[in-house]
Amino acid sequence: TQLLEQSPQFLSIQEGENLTVYCNSSSVFSSLQWYRQEPGEGPVLLVTVVTGGEVKKLKRLTFQFGDARKDSSLHITAAQPGDTGLYLCAGVKGNKLVFGAGTILRVKS
Amino acid sequence: ETGVTQTPRHLVMGMTNKKSLKCEQHLGHNAMYWYKQSAKKPLELMFVYNFKEQTENNSVPSRFSPECPNSSHLFLHLHTLQPEDSALYLCASSRDRGSDQPQHFGDGTRLSIL
Repeated sequence: TQLLEQSPQFLSIQEGENLTVYCNSSSVFSSLQWYRQEPGEGPVLLVTVVTGGEVKKLKRLTFQFGDARKDSSLHITAAQPGDTGLYLCAGVKGNKLVFGAGTILRVKS
Repeated sequence: ETGVTQTPRHLVMGMTNKKSLKCEQHLGHNAMYWYKQSAKKPLELMFVYNFKEQTENNSVPSRFSPECPNSSHLFLHLHTLQPEDSALYLCASSRDRGSDQPQHFGDGTRLSIL
């Protein structure tokens, strides 16, 4: 059983569609990070959320941290082919950074 | 350009070979990490170095041997690997060892064990 469950595992959508991916746990995290990993590259940090209920926007990407700091979501509006990649969430728990297995997003033009 | 460079990008080796992976960071960070990334599995933290000292070894088999000669360079020496060791090996660095520090990743070495 993974500490951080990401869903869906794989998502294939058309350009212009909206989507939401989820990062869930039964554990409380002091903060949560979202990374995007494009094919052939390493993960790149997108955002860190710290406060329960916090919402952060990064252009067409909206990140939300759950009120109880156990879960998070990433919503993408009007997806573009350039959004294609593996989206990873990582929760900070004590002195550990725990990663989920990721959601693979493919945006078709 | 993430500031973390890994070489080689691809490596194919037999189970009896000895090879090394190299990681170099140009960010002035003090902490460096080795991760293993396998399909459909979370990133697995292997080793952590802080100010050149190893601070974590997450039950990694001894056929993987890390070396950190200075805060900018990190190596992973490989010997007598198994087919299940085939994966993407990622190096990362952060300003310090704090778990809330954002990590800067290299583009990885894709390792295939024959």
